[in-house]
Amino acid sequence: GENVEQHPSTLSVQEGDSAVIKCTYSDSASNYFPWYKQELGKGPQLIIDIRSNVGEKKDQRIAVTLNKTAKHFSLHITETQPEDSAVYFCAASDSSYKLIFGSGTRLLVRP
Amino acid sequence: NAGVTQTPKFRILKIGQSMTLQCTQDMNHNYMYWYRQDPGMGLKLIYYSVGAGITDKGEVPNGYNVSRSTTEDFPLRLELAAPSQTSVYFCASSSGRRGDEQFFGPGTRLTVL
Repeated sequence: GENVEQHPSTLSVQEGDSAVIKCTYSDSASNYFPWYKQELGKGPQLIIDIRSNVGEKKDQRIAVTLNKTAKHFSLHITETQPEDSAVYFCAASDSSYKLIFGSGTRLLVRP
Repeated sequence: NAGVTQTPKFRILKIGQSMTLQCTQDMNHNYMYWYRQDPGMGLKLIYYSVGAGITDKGEVPNGYNVSRSTTEDFPLRLELAAPSQTSVYFCASSSGRRGDEQFFGPGTRLTVL
């Protein structure tokens, strides 16, 4: 079955700097790759996603890139702000609608 | 819309006790899911449902049961609770279109002592 690895487990950046979180997946059949943000005490919330027919997608300060050949995808946050501090999860899915999540990255943005 | 609601928010069980975690969604979603999140870990799928009357196992189904009698509700049953079931449980729903967003509830924190 699918396995998703996520790195780093923790990331601390200065406000205004960029943050990059990387994930690799094992199943070449996976074709949908969402990223979720989880704030303390809350459920995860989708922030951006990408499908396997697209190499890059942007939404304001957030971007995701996908390399199907290498089976990895990354989340890029530019001009980080304190409210970006949270746990971020990547996930992968084939056509069965079931998401396989990475282990999460705790991002801390220092003011 | 309230989205996905879960009750209770917190619960402490003794070993061997049973309980039902409630989940309700008001978005008329066909697909519903139960995940568990252990400290420092990602979410693991326990069970999912593609519609009323249809359920299937996820990655970690042992020790749990589910039912789906209506579109709105998807309760998770724990029988004979064990310390290994101490976790935060999240319910989620989606419309079922390929790659559609899953909406998560606020979670239930369960401790088994």
